[in-house]
Amino acid sequence: AQKVTQAQTEISVVEKEDVTLDCVYETRDTTYYLFWYKQPPSGELVFLIRRNSFDEQNEISGRYSWNFQKSTSSFNFTITASQVVDSAVYFCALGLGSNYKLTFGKGTLLTVNP
Amino acid sequence: GAVVSQHPSRVICKSGTSVKIECRSLDFQATTMFWYRQFPKQSLMLMATSNEGSKATYEQGVEKDKFLINHASLTLSTLTVTSAHPEDSSFYICSARGWTSNNEQFFGPGTRLTVL
Repeated sequence: AQKVTQAQTEISVVEKEDVTLDCVYETRDTTYYLFWYKQPPSGELVFLIRRNSFDEQNEISGRYSWNFQKSTSSFNFTITASQVVDSAVYFCALGLGSNYKLTFGKGTLLTVNP
Repeated sequence: GAVVSQHPSRVICKSGTSVKIECRSLDFQATTMFWYRQFPKQSLMLMATSNEGSKATYEQGVEKDKFLINHASLTLSTLTVTSAHPEDSSFYICSARGWTSNNEQFFGPGTRLTVL
């Protein structure tokens, strides 16, 4: 069975600090997708990144970067120089099957204080 | 990116009534739509998957007679919560996936249901 673990329930940082959100996944499938979503207080999910299981290249997009390591089944997300607007719940998700059904982690509430 | 809308955004109803939530893909054809439920401060839990023109596939523990899902066209899926009770109060989110979405699901803004 598939599972996504986000061990950090809540993280609080001060603006401009770097912060890393952890994500560990479990699956026996060799083909899968990994995602990160942001959910601000409004509730609407914001897509951040998708990575397939055959692409272990790390990615950087502005202040965001992702580290995908198949050896440890991890897909961690780092925000550099955090800002107050980064405050939200962040979800890591695993997509499997022909429909790519998503299994979400429990989410990490990030609070960035001014 | 593709746009998915949900209507209504908020609904309050009395216990025992039925509520219908619509999910529309506005600029693409959604071959598959997903319905999720999210309780406060919890994660999204997949309720069911529906492919256009087929019966929905429900996840374990989700009552198909209580949560009726219809995916009658490539741009519209509906979730009807029948005989709603206070414990059905939740945030319901749909997502859609199409031929051109490259396996990505596009999420709607969600519907907050409150059952009194």
